[in-house]
Amino acid sequence: DQQVKQNSPSLSVQEGRISILNCDYTNSMFDYFLWYKKYPAEGPTFLISISSIKDKNEDGRFTVFLNKSAKHLSLHIVPSQPGDSAVYFCAASAGGSNYKLTFGKGTLLTVNP
Amino acid sequence: KAGVTQTPRYLIKTRGQQVTLSCSPISGHRSVSWYQQTPGQGLQFLFEYFSETQRNKGNFPGRFSGRQFSNSRSEMNVSTLELGDSALYLCASSKGLPYSTDTQYFGPGTRLTVL
Repeated sequence: DQQVKQNSPSLSVQEGRISILNCDYTNSMFDYFLWYKKYPAEGPTFLISISSIKDKNEDGRFTVFLNKSAKHLSLHIVPSQPGDSAVYFCAASAGGSNYKLTFGKGTLLTVNP
Repeated sequence: KAGVTQTPRYLIKTRGQQVTLSCSPISGHRSVSWYQQTPGQGLQFLFEYFSETQRNKGNFPGRFSGRQFSNSRSEMNVSTLELGDSALYLCASSKGLPYSTDTQYFGPGTRLTVL
């Protein structure tokens, strides 16, 4: 049973435009959400996180939105750059156990120059 | 500050053998978590150690085990290797504080191939 789902395996965007990556979850106990970026042959790199008490968190070009009623979160990257091309993972944790993450299967983002 | 390091980076074993992977966390981090990444299942949580004690465990068979030393370094062992154990094994470290915005930082992983 997949508790965190990223339904788009891939996304292609033009440089300078907005990239929107989506993530859905089923476990109501999840209260902390994170996005990681992963390049081939490297470990995931933390990007941005959001607590369930918020509905938006922003850090530079990256903004995460959380819709608790829909159990949906999204990552917006504006403007997209070719260096953003990577696999993006959505992850969630419950009950303060931030050291036990449940991951989605990832979305491959390609930003075309 | 040095990041999370994992050794070895690549490993080739045959079915039935056992393997030990090592992870050194970021200085000051007391929690080490292990994950398995495969193309079919994605990233799955194996277990987490904090202050030399296993605090959380995922849904993996008993062939997968680990330990943590007093300096927070951790090892993961897989016994009686199966072809399906071929994967990228990632470790992540954090302060391990509950109910906080504590973040996990990942190492580069160990690529295990079982022949």
